[in-house]
Amino acid sequence: GAGVSQSPSNKVTEKGKDVELRCDPISGHTALYWYRQRLGQGLEFLIYFQGNSAPDKSGLPSDRFSAERTGESVSTLTIQRTQQEDSAVYLCASSLSGGTFGEQFFGPGTRLTVL
Amino acid sequence: RKEVEQDPGPFNVPEGATVAFNCTYSNSASQSFFWYRQDCRKEPKLLMSVYSSGNEDGRFTAQLNRASQYISLLIRDSKLSDSATYLCVVNLDSWGKLQFGAGTQVVVTP
Repeated sequence: GAGVSQSPSNKVTEKGKDVELRCDPISGHTALYWYRQRLGQGLEFLIYFQGNSAPDKSGLPSDRFSAERTGESVSTLTIQRTQQEDSAVYLCASSLSGGTFGEQFFGPGTRLTVL
Repeated sequence: RKEVEQDPGPFNVPEGATVAFNCTYSNSASQSFFWYRQDCRKEPKLLMSVYSSGNEDGRFTAQLNRASQYISLLIRDSKLSDSATYLCVVNLDSWGKLQFGAGTQVVVTP
């Protein structure tokens, strides 16, 4: 079956512009996560959606970052007024039911470059 | 102090040899532990979960030491295809929020 998909795969933008990144989780997966990975670094948790519960936004680095999820499907991560330090690979993952032991399946990521 | 710390390597390993490396974590309340594998410019993929009693999956053996708060991964009979970055992953809460280490790079050479 299809895995997690993300679009675009690459995005180059100018400082100050807004960008929107999309994630399509595996069908039936109730949990969805966004991470950021800067060059040579580990994954940094951004936000977590679980079913209809309020999302865990504790990892969002600033109010320029926001994310939405429609039901248990598509999610979009929006970065407003992009800065050069936002340059990174943004990874989305989904999990069948979330929780402590659920395997997370990752999409291929969106490589964001802010000039 | 980082919540999950790993030796970045690289660990250069001759094909067929054994390599082992550790990861330390700071949150004593963590309950679940994983090793993910990440190939260059690719997304991470689950290699194995780490159970309290230690577990083995083919050539890979994972150990957990709760008292000292570290996890280890051992790869036996290394293959060229084992070359990758191995990410140590620890849960932060009961909802599945994970903390990833920066990874240990393994390079298997012919």
